[in-house]
Amino acid sequence: GQQVMQIPQYQHVQEGEDFTTYCNSSTTLSNIQWYKQRPGGHPVFLIQLVKSGEVKKQKRLTFQFGEAKKNSSLHITATQTTDVGTYFCAGQNDYKLSFGAGTTVTVRA
Amino acid sequence: NAGVTQTPKFQVLKTGQSMTLQCAQDMNHEYMSWYRQDPGMGLRLIHYSVGAGITDQGEVPNGYNVSRSTTEDFPLRLLSAAPSQTSVYFCASSSGLVDEQFFGPGTRLTVL
Repeated sequence: GQQVMQIPQYQHVQEGEDFTTYCNSSTTLSNIQWYKQRPGGHPVFLIQLVKSGEVKKQKRLTFQFGEAKKNSSLHITATQTTDVGTYFCAGQNDYKLSFGAGTTVTVRA
Repeated sequence: NAGVTQTPKFQVLKTGQSMTLQCAQDMNHEYMSWYRQDPGMGLRLIHYSVGAGITDQGEVPNGYNVSRSTTEDFPLRLLSAAPSQTSVYFCASSSGLVDEQFFGPGTRLTVL
């Protein structure tokens, strides 16, 4: 079945630094979605990528969808304490979303 | 709009007990899903529904039943609780197959 792998599992970042989390699927995806979950909260939708090679930006967050539609990345620049949380990618195929295990981000002030 | 609501927020069960986790949405979404979240494993799909009267199994359906008698409600039933079902359960809804998922606040379940 479809599997979505996400790395790294943990990311400890100095405030102001950049980091990237990666998402890889064993199958071609129709689209990929990214979610953020604050500690103790529920996942909240960030963005959806549909087209091969697509790049979207939200302020300090840059999302990319690979040319083969099997991988994606989230890059955060100038990390802030508000970026703390777990970031999940979710690959969609047929009626199902397959979530990666998430990257849990902590920020050192 | 309340969005997606879940009850209860917390629940402790003894092994073998049964219970129903409630989920409701007021956005008139056709698609609803149940996920469980365990440390290091992300969100795993238990069951999903593409409309009233239609349900299907996800990745980890064993030990759980669902029904979808109305568009608004999608309850999850644990038939005979086991310690392996200790988890955080999220219900989600979306308007279309490829649309964003709206998650409820979650139910934290402990089975002793």
